[in-house]
Amino acid sequence: AQRVTQPEKLLSVFKGAPVELKCNYSYSGSPELFWYVQYSRQRLQLLLRHISRESIKGFTADLNKGETSFHLKKPFAQEEDSAMYYCALRSGNQFYFGTGTSLTVIP
Amino acid sequence: EPEVTQTPSHQVTQMGQEVILRCVPISNHLYFYWYRQILGQKVEFLVSFYNNEISEKSEIFDDQFSVERPDGSNFTLKIRSTKLEDSAMYFCASRDTSSGIQYFGAGTRLSVL
Repeated sequence: AQRVTQPEKLLSVFKGAPVELKCNYSYSGSPELFWYVQYSRQRLQLLLRHISRESIKGFTADLNKGETSFHLKKPFAQEEDSAMYYCALRSGNQFYFGTGTSLTVIP
Repeated sequence: EPEVTQTPSHQVTQMGQEVILRCVPISNHLYFYWYRQILGQKVEFLVSFYNNEISEKSEIFDDQFSVERPDGSNFTLKIRSTKLEDSAMYFCASRDTSSGIQYFGAGTRLSVL
């Protein structure tokens, strides 16, 4: 079975503080993992994915196969980062989403 | 920038009625998807569609649901005999084959009374 777990439903950090949104997965093959973000009143949009190994808006995520994790990190949170973040896993032509973490960055 | 568009933004229906949710994927995309998000819960995969047929579907996507690409631009989700528990946000997405990136519509909120 393919599962994505985001253990934190809510996360609050102060502006300028580091932020880490956790994502763990269970998958029997080689996973393809994504982070999606949904800003207030906007649609879901891709933030980044592990195969690109890129940094978007200061966020990075490293796939750790040993820990089966794909945590999202940013060294200095900004107010505009406040949003809902979803970790997702692709299996074939199916995508499995975590329950999401609502990030609030306190000014 | 091209977008996935969904209509209507909000659909209210009576239990037992049929509804059709409409989506216009991005024009050169080949893979299309429907997802559901019940209030307060996670985004759940319903179905993927490629080359005019269902590619994969989840356990949620039972005989009550069907998808169609009637005219080469629209991609529809039909829910027959709606139930109260079908109330949710329904998201359409299309995927760019070259980049693999999914683009989501803004969603249709379905309220079954």
